[in-house]
Amino acid sequence: QVQLQESGPGLVKPSQTLSLTCTVSGGSISSGGYYWSWIRQHPGKGLEWIGYIYSSGSTYYNPSLKSRVTLSVDTSKNKFSLKLSSVTAADTAVYYCARDGQGGTGTPEYWGQGTLVTVSS
Amino acid sequence: QSVLTQPPSASGTLGQRVTISCSGSSSNIRSNTVNWYQQLPGTAPKLLIYGSNQRPSGVPDRFSGSKSGTSASLAISGLQSEDEADYYCAAWDDSLNGPVFGGGTKLTVL
Repeated sequence: QVQLQESGPGLVKPSQTLSLTCTVSGGSISSGGYYWSWIRQHPGKGLEWIGYIYSSGSTYYNPSLKSRVTLSVDTSKNKFSLKLSSVTAADTAVYYCARDGQGGTGTPEYWGQGTLVTVSS
Repeated sequence: QSVLTQPPSASGTLGQRVTISCSGSSSNIRSNTVNWYQQLPGTAPKLLIYGSNQRPSGVPDRFSGSKSGTSASLAISGLQSEDEADYYCAAWDDSLNGPVFGGGTKLTVL
């Protein structure tokens, strides 16, 4: 069964770039036709999809964040990454990486444990 | 503002059956399947239902899902104290070309 684990700094200064990595185990990130997503949850709030990178390497971002988001994949290390630029306090959230299921729906089924990122000087 | 609409709260007594609704549109729920998640405090969402009405292995059959038109529902029968959690629905949105979520429903077991 696939497992995902987020890693990265827990504190980022305003205007800087937030960088997180998701390490995948139990399956190859480059096979199977899956959607590898980043999702965030502001404190006490609901879930917000940030973007996904497909197994082919193509990416798609939430239009609300598109100008600041870059997703990339390192197939040799079975990892994919998120970069969010020009962060503000409004980007403080728990960030999750996730993958959809075998049905190819794109909707997340497998989730990492999440990592809290605080934007503060 | 979440794309999918859920009631912010729901409650029930031990052993009771409760349902949580999720309302969407033709670009998401009508066209695609729905997932439901349970989120306990301080933990990641856990998949409860996928494909609108399928349970992953390990999820008790007390949990069931259904979909009709642009709405979906999660039903929990034989309510237990450990069911007290936040519940979210999600579906792919053809207009966004990505998944959309409900705002979450906080279930209280009285």
